Amino acid sequence: DADVTQTPRNRITKTGKRIMLECSQTKGHDRMYWYRQDPGLGLRLIYYSFDVKDINKGEISDGYSVSRQAQAKFSLSLESAIPNQTALYFCATSESRDYRLQYFGPGTRLLVL
Amino acid sequence: RKEVEQDPGPFNVPEGATVAFNCTYSNSASQSFFWYRQDCRKEPKLLMSVYSSGNEDGRFTAQLNRASQYISLLIRDSKLSDSATYLCVVNSGTGRRALTFGSGTRLQVQP
Repeated sequence: DADVTQTPRNRITKTGKRIMLECSQTKGHDRMYWYRQDPGLGLRLIYYSFDVKDINKGEISDGYSVSRQAQAKFSLSLESAIPNQTALYFCATSESRDYRLQYFGPGTRLLVL
Repeated sequence: RKEVEQDPGPFNVPEGATVAFNCTYSNSASQSFFWYRQDCRKEPKLLMSVYSSGNEDGRFTAQLNRASQYISLLIRDSKLSDSATYLCVVNSGTGRRALTFGSGTRLQVQP
């Protein structure tokens, strides 16, 4: 079984809809991250969490919110989706002692029409 | 200017060739450097860390030039399975607990 899982793997939604992407991990890591990947722009950090009570904005947090429900779960929400949020979204985890080594989930492809 | 810049490629090379990629970073306070590999439509995975003195892992050699603020990845004896996008990744200094990813260099190894 994969250590970092994401659901759904693919999603098509309409402008203005609320959507939640979920991430779960069995690695026991404290830190979790949400990135989006767009062609030519690489991965950009949306939000990151050091533990359940410590959540931080990344470089492109506008239009997104997150929830760290438990150490193993980190959800990303788009409150009102817009077409330029169409992207590939990755969740990642890392240990506190070596946050530089990150383990990624398989990604969620989101299309906002 | 992007914090981490890479030539997007693609680099098309025959099997057995040696190929090198460079990556430049803008923050002179950057402390840690990595190469990640990403296969098409898959998640990124750590390929190797980059150390100041340079380091090798089999056919892969990574080097860091702090004065010129670039890192490189050399792949010797290219295999078809090396075809992927290689992401340059930088951790920029203390207090910033996250990584900055380059947009990647695509490598296509041809038979």
